[in-house]
Amino acid sequence: ETGVTQTPRHLVMGMTNKKSLKCEQHLGHNAMYWYKQSAKKPLELMFVYNFKEQTENNSVPSRFSPECPNSSHLFLHLHTLQPEDSALYLCASSPGLAGPSTDTQYFGPGTRLTVL
Amino acid sequence: GNSVTQMEGPVTLSEEAFLTINCTYTATGYPSLFWYVQYPGEGLQLLLKATKADDKGSNKGFEATYRKETTSFHLEKGSVQVSDSAVYFCALTESNAGNMLTFGGGTRLMVKP
Repeated sequence: ETGVTQTPRHLVMGMTNKKSLKCEQHLGHNAMYWYKQSAKKPLELMFVYNFKEQTENNSVPSRFSPECPNSSHLFLHLHTLQPEDSALYLCASSPGLAGPSTDTQYFGPGTRLTVL
Repeated sequence: GNSVTQMEGPVTLSEEAFLTINCTYTATGYPSLFWYVQYPGEGLQLLLKATKADDKGSNKGFEATYRKETTSFHLEKGSVQVSDSAVYFCALTESNAGNMLTFGGGTRLMVKP
């Protein structure tokens, strides 16, 4: 599935840096998601947006700041991160939020983040 | 709350062997069930899904049947290939939970020639 793209694919940053992750979906979907995948831990949902409005914040620290300017683009702004934030950050989109015809999520390839 | 339990890996098989990866779930309503696959260095790809009891999802030779009576969604393939080596995730969503995907821990499959 190439309908969801993420940039950059790899990012190395220091704890005092500010960087942003970008996600773009070309599927005409209305909902977008950020997930964190750490080694040896289950996939963790971070944020959900539906029609540009945030509908879920899964107790994510404020050093992660999402932005959804439109239904096709989703950003994750990063600042003052910690080494334990190193992980694969995955973006996903779905047609909507409810019902079996709209709930399938399609994932991007992820951004591999390393915090030094 | 919802939960998904998968068999722990790694699962190591020889090429052309039969594959089963067990998945059971707990949900309060009527979930949709999914299998996602993650190849090395890549994101998750939807492999198959089923939206109601007794539905069978299938794709690329993989199958899984939604069994409400046993709350299971086991993944099977009759003859695996080396290219099937990946991590497989079982997951569910419920419409009354805002489409939040609940994932199992993932099962790594290694297929040897």
